[in-house]
Amino acid sequence: GNSVTQMEGPVTLSEEAFLTINCTYTATGYPSLFWYVQYPGEGLQLLLKATKADDKGSNKGFEATYRKETTSFHLEKGSVQVSDSAVYFCALSPTTGFQKLVFGTGTRLLVSP
Amino acid sequence: DVKVTQSSRYLVKRTGEKVFLECVQDMDHENMFWYRQDPGLGLRLIYFSYDVKMKEKGDIPEGYSVSREKKERFSLILESASTNQTSMYLCASSPRPGRSYEQYFGPGTRLTVT
Repeated sequence: GNSVTQMEGPVTLSEEAFLTINCTYTATGYPSLFWYVQYPGEGLQLLLKATKADDKGSNKGFEATYRKETTSFHLEKGSVQVSDSAVYFCALSPTTGFQKLVFGTGTRLLVSP
Repeated sequence: DVKVTQSSRYLVKRTGEKVFLECVQDMDHENMFWYRQDPGLGLRLIYFSYDVKMKEKGDIPEGYSVSREKKERFSLILESASTNQTSMYLCASSPRPGRSYEQYFGPGTRLTVT
């Protein structure tokens, strides 16, 4: 079946550090891939997405590249800010069937000044 | 901007009570979803609906039911609340999918069952 695996958190960084949050997936065909972010006390919001292999999604300084050969979609940011502290969810939308999203368990990021 | 609203941010109910969680979206989306979010488990799909009066079970439907009488409104019902239903409940909506659709989430309802 379809599944998403994320690195366990929390990830604790100092401001301006480089961020990587790993995400790998299992799916048939070519799913669409997403990163969602949840700030404290809020619902999820879409951060970025990629719909085919080698696509790069980017937003607010975050980037992720759809790697079919390694079934990965790692999230990166060159210089994190305190305001990036949140929970990040990797998700996929399957190729076939009703397009429910399949989520990873989330990774909490804590950025200190 | 798409807006998804949920009737309550925080709710405290007693075991055995019938609980209604309401969700309204203002973008004429066909699809609506109910998830629960628990630490270490991520988001798990309870029910979804792809049209008025249509509903489909998600991954964890036991103990829940839903109602969709109008396109913009999707209700989650806990027939007899239990303590293991204490959780954060998130509603989402999406348009009739193209291949790479995204979902729009409400702010969540934190339900405590005592």
